[in-house]
Amino acid sequence: AQSVTQLDSHVSVSEGTPVLLRCNYSSSYSPSLFWYVQHPNKGLQLLLKYTSAATLVKGINGFEAEFKKSETSFHLTKPSAHMSDAAEYFCVVSLISGGSYIPTFGRGTSLIVHP
Amino acid sequence: DAGVTQSPTHLIKTRGQHVTLRCSPISGHKSVSWYQQVLGQGPQFIFQYYEKEERGRGNFPDRFSARQFPNYSSELNVNALLLGDSALYLCASSDRDQIYEQYFGPGTRLTVT
Repeated sequence: AQSVTQLDSHVSVSEGTPVLLRCNYSSSYSPSLFWYVQHPNKGLQLLLKYTSAATLVKGINGFEAEFKKSETSFHLTKPSAHMSDAAEYFCVVSLISGGSYIPTFGRGTSLIVHP
Repeated sequence: DAGVTQSPTHLIKTRGQHVTLRCSPISGHKSVSWYQQVLGQGPQFIFQYYEKEERGRGNFPDRFSARQFPNYSSELNVNALLLGDSALYLCASSDRDQIYEQYFGPGTRLTVT
């Protein structure tokens, strides 16, 4: 069975400092991996995706993530946090089940950015 | 271009009632997926429809059903509502038959009393 674990429920950073949101997954096969962001009262937005191409994936708004198979991790990073980055972030693993991709979302990490 | 739209935005129902939620995908998208997001948790996959056929189903009881219409819009139906069905219901559309890069709507907030 596939699963995804977001290791921190909350991450607090100061504006201008680096961001690290951690995600580990469990999968029998090579998964597709995604990060989504959810701002208050807004829909989920895709930040980036990994689908077995380059292991370092660049996304929107300066975010990137590195797929590490040996560590079964897909951590999300950003060199310098901005106030507008404050939101809920979800790591998603997607595997084929019964001929269809079934996505599994993590519980989410709330990113708090202090001025 | 309009994004994914959902209606209604908010809904209050009583236990035992039935509810229908609606979703219109992005123009040209033929795949619609439904998710349930309980407060404080990540979205849980309920269904995926592509070209009016069910392509995937999550671990939800038979009280949950859905369908997709010829114009690719979709309805999610929930019968015999329970208090635990209170959640944000999200719809997402994609231009592929496999769930890949999805575009989410703002959701319908369902409260069951």
